[in-house]
Amino acid sequence: AQSVTQLDSQVPVFEEAPVELRCNYSSSVSVYLFWYVQYPNQGLQLLLKYLSGSTLVESINGFEAEFNKSQTSFHLRKPSVHISDTAEYFCASQITSGTYKYIFGTGTRLKVLA
Amino acid sequence: KAGVTQTPRYLIKTRGQQVTLSCSPISGHRSVSWYQQTPGQGLQFLFEYFSETQRNKGNFPGRFSGRQFSNSRSEMNVSTLELGDSALYLCASSLTQQGYGYTFGSGTRLTVV
Repeated sequence: AQSVTQLDSQVPVFEEAPVELRCNYSSSVSVYLFWYVQYPNQGLQLLLKYLSGSTLVESINGFEAEFNKSQTSFHLRKPSVHISDTAEYFCASQITSGTYKYIFGTGTRLKVLA
Repeated sequence: KAGVTQTPRYLIKTRGQQVTLSCSPISGHRSVSWYQQTPGQGLQFLFEYFSETQRNKGNFPGRFSGRQFSNSRSEMNVSTLELGDSALYLCASSLTQQGYGYTFGSGTRLTVV
């Protein structure tokens, strides 16, 4: 069975500090991995994705995630956060063949403190 | 280009009524999926359509149904509304079914009273 686990429901961090949001996945077959961000009263926006190739993927606003197959993880990191990064972040997986359903984690609420 | 458009943005209905929500995907996107988002359950998959065919269905009762039209627009319908159906309903479209990633609409917030 396919599953995604986000261990931290809330992560408070001070502005300009680094942050890591953890995501672990479980699947018996190959998966694609995604991070989405949701700001209040909005839908989710795709932040970055891992399909294949380089295990380190980056977004345009300074976030990066590293695919680690041995640890079945896809943690999201940012070296220095801003107040505007306050949002909810969702990790998702999709198997590479067969059904096309995405499986989402329960989300991590990042709160950046001044 | 225009994003995913969901209408209406807000809706208040009474228990027992039915409701239809609409989603217009990004032009050229043929895959449309629906999710229900609640504080307690998070994001739960409802269904996914590709070229007018339902490819996947989540674990929801038969009161929840949907369809996709030839222009890729999609609707979902909920009949005999219950208080527990109050949620944010999100539509997402994708260019392909795999590996492309979703573009989400802003959602329809349904309140059942």
